[in-house]
Amino acid sequence: DIQMTQSPSSLSASVGDRVTITCRASQNIMTFLNWYQQKPGKAPKLLVYTASSLQDGVPSRFSGSGSGTDFTLTISSLQSDDFATYYCQQSYGTPYTFGQGTKVDMK
Amino acid sequence: EVQLLESGGDLVQPGGSLRLSCAASGFRFSTYSMSWVRQAPGQGLEWVASISTTGGTTYYADSVTGRFTISRDNSKNTLSLQMNSLRDADTALYYCTKGSATPRPLKFDYWGQGILVSVSS
Repeated sequence: DIQMTQSPSSLSASVGDRVTITCRASQNIMTFLNWYQQKPGKAPKLLVYTASSLQDGVPSRFSGSGSGTDFTLTISSLQSDDFATYYCQQSYGTPYTFGQGTKVDMK
Repeated sequence: EVQLLESGGDLVQPGGSLRLSCAASGFRFSTYSMSWVRQAPGQGLEWVASISTTGGTTYYADSVTGRFTISRDNSKNTLSLQMNSLRDADTALYYCTKGSATPRPLKFDYWGQGILVSVSS
């Protein structure tokens, strides 16, 4: 199975900060990497697919990059609505696997 | 507007069975792969199973292989998950997710609100 490792597991930030979350795959997954946002009590929401494509309706302050084994989700200027948990997920092959999540909370 | 509405969750004893359903609307159901993803209380996300557009190909996590069966009825725009031999570890919120217009899902772009399955004696 492909293991997905996110870092950090949690971070504290302020509105306006630039936030970067990394995700590392245990093997080459090309660009088959998606990012999701989940708020407490809500279903996850797709933010970025195939490493760098922004899902329709997602604000442009979110961006994704990377290929192979190393990937990054960046929030260019954190907004109050962005405090949430973020997950990466590989779709290179089954079993599909998720990272353990990165919780972004208010500093 | 894409809508996915899960039903069928319940409290069941270990070894019991349950069938989840997901009613889909707002998109051409028969042209998209579909999946179930679960989340145990306070934990992260775990992919459970996926099914191709026609239902001819299915994929399962090792943890549910041989116990769970994913199926779809394209005439009724419905996705199902038959869960047998349930274990305590299957306790989770189960999400129905819409995949991509490919044989296997390359992303989970829409999610239902989730349905709770509790396995306990």
